[in-house]
Amino acid sequence: GIQVEQSPPDLILQEGANSTLRCNFSDSVNNLQWFHQNPWGQLINLFYIPSGTKQNGRLSATTVATERYSLLYISSSQTTDSGVYFCAVEGWGTDKLIFGTGTRLQVFP
Amino acid sequence: EPEVTQTPSHQVTQMGQEVILRCVPISNHLYFYWYRQILGQKVEFLVSFYNNEISEKSEIFDDQFSVERPDGSNFTLKIRSTKLEDSAMYFCASSEGGGGLDTQYFGPGTRLTVL
Repeated sequence: GIQVEQSPPDLILQEGANSTLRCNFSDSVNNLQWFHQNPWGQLINLFYIPSGTKQNGRLSATTVATERYSLLYISSSQTTDSGVYFCAVEGWGTDKLIFGTGTRLQVFP
Repeated sequence: EPEVTQTPSHQVTQMGQEVILRCVPISNHLYFYWYRQILGQKVEFLVSFYNNEISEKSEIFDDQFSVERPDGSNFTLKIRSTKLEDSAMYFCASSEGGGGLDTQYFGPGTRLTVL
């Protein structure tokens, strides 16, 4: 099956800093989603981005499908950005999302 | 904005008991999913459901698990005889289209604790 690797595993930032999270996947995909899991365990959908670039406020994401990676950019980080960020992909001919192991982000004031 | 809802938010049960986790997907969505996350681990796919039948299931989804859409709005996951290792957060998700064509929206989860 498709392997999904995320880096870095942990990231500690001061409020206001920028960061880039990376997701590598081992095969071609027709869906890629980024999620934020908040401290209460809820999975918040950030982006549906199988290819291209999208932006939503301080967050943006880019997926280069031909090179099998996606990047999530967080600018001017806030303490509320803390949590775990997951990348998940869906291969062709399947309906299941395969999740990476996540990046745990901690933002301190 | 429409959202997926799940009940209960927490469930505590004794080993060997049956539990039913309930989900209300977004109303115009046709594809439904269950995932689980053991504490501290990544989210794992359990099963997908479309047109009143299972379309795909993982190795985790063995005979003790079943899913049902008992009416036009609810989608349930039943665990017949719970084990300690079933303790996890269970997420329901739904999407308008399948095959990766649409976003899968996740509910807030049910935290299941098996004692």
